[in-house]
Amino acid sequence: ELKVEQNPLFLSMQEGKNYTIYCNYSTTSDRLYWYRQDPGKSLESLFVLLSNGAVKQEGRLMASLDTKARLSTLHITAAVHDLSATYFCAVDIWRAQKLVFGQGTRLTINP
Amino acid sequence: EPEVTQTPSHQVTQMGQEVILRCVPISNHLYFYWYRQILGQKVEFLVSFYNNEISEKSEIFDDQFSVERPDGSNFTLKIRSTKLEDSAMYFCAPWSNGYTFGSGTRLTVV
Repeated sequence: ELKVEQNPLFLSMQEGKNYTIYCNYSTTSDRLYWYRQDPGKSLESLFVLLSNGAVKQEGRLMASLDTKARLSTLHITAAVHDLSATYFCAVDIWRAQKLVFGQGTRLTINP
Repeated sequence: EPEVTQTPSHQVTQMGQEVILRCVPISNHLYFYWYRQILGQKVEFLVSFYNNEISEKSEIFDDQFSVERPDGSNFTLKIRSTKLEDSAMYFCAPWSNGYTFGSGTRLTVV
């Protein structure tokens, strides 16, 4: 059974600092997704990573994928308060016909 | 704002009542998924639906749950007899070269 684990689960950081969220998964995957969720809201797609070594960046967020290590990272550069949210990684195995989510990382950025 | 609209946005129902949650995608997707998220917890797969049939379901998706696409566009999730533990956010997610999560329905069972 596919397992997806994120760490840390809670992260409180100061504006201007850098940090990384880690996502480990247990079996071969077709795609890896990162989502952002604000309280009471839906899931907003941030990145889709398709292949080993894939790196994508949008603003202060950068995601990477190492399929050999079964690890994806979401790096936050010079954090700002607006990035406070819960971040989920999710692994897609097409033949399994579903996404499997990590537990989520609740990120709080303090001024 | 999500491109996929779900109605209602919030529903409060008494235990044992039936609820129908609706999803209206914009494009003509072939693959549909339902996920749920209990408050503060991770997102869990419920069911996938392709070509008007269930293709995969989780252990959560028991006999109280059903899905259908009654008119070729709307996509519904029905819970026949709600339980307290069904209280959660429910998201539909049509698939077309990626998952697009709907706006969500917050179901509260009292």
